[in-house]
Amino acid sequence: RKEVEQDPGPFNVPEGATVAFNCTYSNSASQSFFWYRQDCRKEPKLLMSVYSSGNEDGRFTAQLNRASQYISLLIRDSKLSDSATYLCVVRGNTDKLIFGTGTRLQVFP
Amino acid sequence: GAVVSQHPSRVICKSGTSVKIECRSLDFQATTMFWYRQFPKQSLMLMATSNEGSKATYEQGVEKDKFLINHASLTLSTLTVTSAHPEDSSFYICSARGGGRADFEQYFGPGTRLTVT
Repeated sequence: RKEVEQDPGPFNVPEGATVAFNCTYSNSASQSFFWYRQDCRKEPKLLMSVYSSGNEDGRFTAQLNRASQYISLLIRDSKLSDSATYLCVVRGNTDKLIFGTGTRLQVFP
Repeated sequence: GAVVSQHPSRVICKSGTSVKIECRSLDFQATTMFWYRQFPKQSLMLMATSNEGSKATYEQGVEKDKFLINHASLTLSTLTVTSAHPEDSSFYICSARGGGRADFEQYFGPGTRLTVT
């Protein structure tokens, strides 16, 4: 079983739609959780950290369920510029970041 | 945010040659640098972790004699792919951490696309 699992997609949604991505992780000792965004042939960029209480940053909302070892990302009012691959990332009790394979989002006009 | 650069951004080399990739933190001192590799449609896989002035720690399955890492200063780490083969063709990305920032924050370089012919 992979340490971090994501649905690869692609998710094809129209502009203005709301879309949600899910992620599960296998290590219950994981301590930090993040969503990164990666554009084609570019490096990943931190989108937001994920906190137990859930957190929101503009159109983006992240949730963490430690009991189910599940992380989610909700994007409201999708823009064309949101088209990218969204990486679920988990850090255990070491320095290492464990990346999921990513979920590809394509927003169309 | 912090700036990390990589050089070169793209390199094509012949099988059997060696390639050096540089990773620099431009506006902070990176106590730790990480090297990742990403094959098409796959996730980033950590290859090794390097701390300034000490030997790199390699992940299981990564050959330390093939992927030489040097972290000689707080702003520079290098990855040398020795005797490259076509299966080493990949996207190599470094990240850096330090400068008093939160311990989870890693800043990624723009990546180096290596093609071995």
